[in-house]
This record gives sequence, C-alpha cells and structure tokens, in this order.
Amino acid sequence: GQNIDQPTEMTATEGAIVQINCTYQTSGFNGLFWYQQHAGEAPTFLSYNVLDGLEEKGRFSSFLSRSKGYSYLLLKELQMKDSASYLCAPGDSNYQLIWGAGTKLIIKP
Amino acid sequence: ETGVTQTPRHLVMGMTNKKSLKCEQHLGHNAMYWYKQSAKKPLELMFVYNFKEQTENNSVPSRFSPECPNSSHLFLHLHTLQPEDSALYLCASSQEVGGANVLTFGAGSRLTVL
Repeated sequence: GQNIDQPTEMTATEGAIVQINCTYQTSGFNGLFWYQQHAGEAPTFLSYNVLDGLEEKGRFSSFLSRSKGYSYLLLKELQMKDSASYLCAPGDSNYQLIWGAGTKLIIKP
Repeated sequence: ETGVTQTPRHLVMGMTNKKSLKCEQHLGHNAMYWYKQSAKKPLELMFVYNFKEQTENNSVPSRFSPECPNSSHLFLHLHTLQPEDSALYLCASSQEVGGANVLTFGAGSRLTVL
C-alpha cells in the first residue's frame, strides 16, 4: 500500500534550526513535494526533489533519498512566521500526489 | 492571493440542502482539482480535470458532483450531505514547472453540515 509518515507536531525556538522528516512508501515514484500551510490558509509550494540529494532555497532546504524512501525539510534561522503545517507529498507512478497528514511546527520566542 | 479563488469561504448547510462551491483560477493552468481536508488527516484527492475533461474520480460519493465548464472554472455541487462531510474543501490548479507538476491552491471553503 501507499503510506506517508511524518511527525504530528514539532516545537522549535526562534533563530534555531529544525529538521522535519518524512518517510514514504508509494507505488512507483515521481518526485517529492513539500508544501507549507498556515492555519486557515492555502497550502503553498516550497520544494520539489526528484533526484537524490539536497536542494537549497534560501533558509529552506529539502533532501531526498529514493533508496531509503526518505526526505527531510530543513528550516534554518527560524522566524515566528514559520509556524505552520508542513506537508510531505511524493508522487506515485500515475503522478498523483500521496499526502502526509502534515507536521505542525510551533516556533517559540 | 494565490491566483486561485474559492467562494464561499464558509458554508453551513443542512443535510437536505443543495449548495455549490466555486473555484476560479487566473493562472492559465489546464488542470484543476478538488481536495478534501479534514482535521489531522491527509489531503484527500476527490476529482481531477484536465482541459475540462474529468480524468480522476477517487471513489467519491455521488452526493458530490463536480462541474468544469471551462479550464478556468470548477464547481462542486453538494446535495444530501452527511455531517461527516464537514471539512475544508480545497481547489487547486497546476502546471508543469521544470518537470514538476506544481499545485497552486485556493484558500478553501470551510463546510459545516448540520
């Protein structure tokens, strides 16, 4: 079957670094997306990985290991506005996204 | 504003009511989607339209009826809903960017069924 596993909730301190892990099992694989969703708002695209390795985009980086079925999102220099849910979504053989339930990240001053 | 507009933002309806959710995208995308988002659950894909043609119906009950009159507009008609259908309904559109099919979501319609 298809399964996505990511922590339900994480807490971090403003200015620190946090890593949100995601493990997945899908029927086929066509890249992995990370989305950010603030409470009451639309999910917004953060990153896309299709090859193994690290993709860096400003304060956010995303890593993929296809052989391990594993990805992480790394957030540096945390700001209060980074408090949100982070959704991991690999694409299956039909290019349909399989969504995790999301990780709620709480940033404390 | 993401370029995908959903109305209404909030809707309360009884189980015997008929209502519709509307989605409009101003991004020139050719694919549009309906998702259901319940608290602490993964996003559930409901319907996909490509160039106005329905390409995916994820075993959605017939009390949900989609309509896509053109590639910019998408509706979700609701009839005889159940309380467990209360959720956030998200519309999205997509285009391929660098080999990735990136979704742009609307802010959602929060539905409460009494």
